Amino acid sequence: ELKVEQNPLFLSMQEGKNYTIYCNYSTTSDRLYWYRQDPGKSLESLFVLLSNGAVKQEGRLMASLDTKARLSTLHITAAVHDLSATYFCAVLRGYALNFGKGTSLLVTP
Amino acid sequence: EAQVTQNPRYLITVTGKKLTVTCSQNMNHEYMSWYRQDPGLGLRQIYYSMNVEVTDKGDVPEGYKVSRKEKRNFPLILESPSPNQTSLYFCASSLTPPPYRNRGQPQHFGDGTRLSIL
Repeated sequence: ELKVEQNPLFLSMQEGKNYTIYCNYSTTSDRLYWYRQDPGKSLESLFVLLSNGAVKQEGRLMASLDTKARLSTLHITAAVHDLSATYFCAVLRGYALNFGKGTSLLVTP
Repeated sequence: EAQVTQNPRYLITVTGKKLTVTCSQNMNHEYMSWYRQDPGLGLRQIYYSMNVEVTDKGDVPEGYKVSRKEKRNFPLILESPSPNQTSLYFCASSLTPPPYRNRGQPQHFGDGTRLSIL
């Protein structure tokens, strides 16, 4: 059974600060996704990481994948209020996606 | 506009009364999937379909049925709903099944259906 663990599950941070969300998974996979969900909304794709060492950046968010350590990180640089949302990582197993429980991020002034 | 459309968006019903949640995509995607989202549990996959007439169970298929008679539609059927199926449901699609070509394809999600079963 593939387990996907995110931490922290809740994160309150000040605007302008940096922080990292971690996503660990239990079995081999070379495909990892990050999604964002705003309250009451659907999921929006942020990044698809396809191979070991993959790094992708979009604005203040940067995601990386280390398949040997079974770890992905989502780094937030100089946070702004608009980044407040829940972030999910999802790991591919066969034809199914296994999601983490999500990290609820609140960025405060 | 490319989208995944779910109906209804909200439904309150009673135990045992059969219901169907429809999902339709207009992107000619082969792969479609249903998830349920519960507080503290994240999203869990119920069923998925790799193409017409090809479906398979996800992690939590008990109490649900699906069908894929047409490429664009993937309804979720609850034959005899129970209160433990109260949840937020999402349908998603992608061009091809995740491990295949177009390896970078993310899944596109519908807006969700909130089901309450009393």
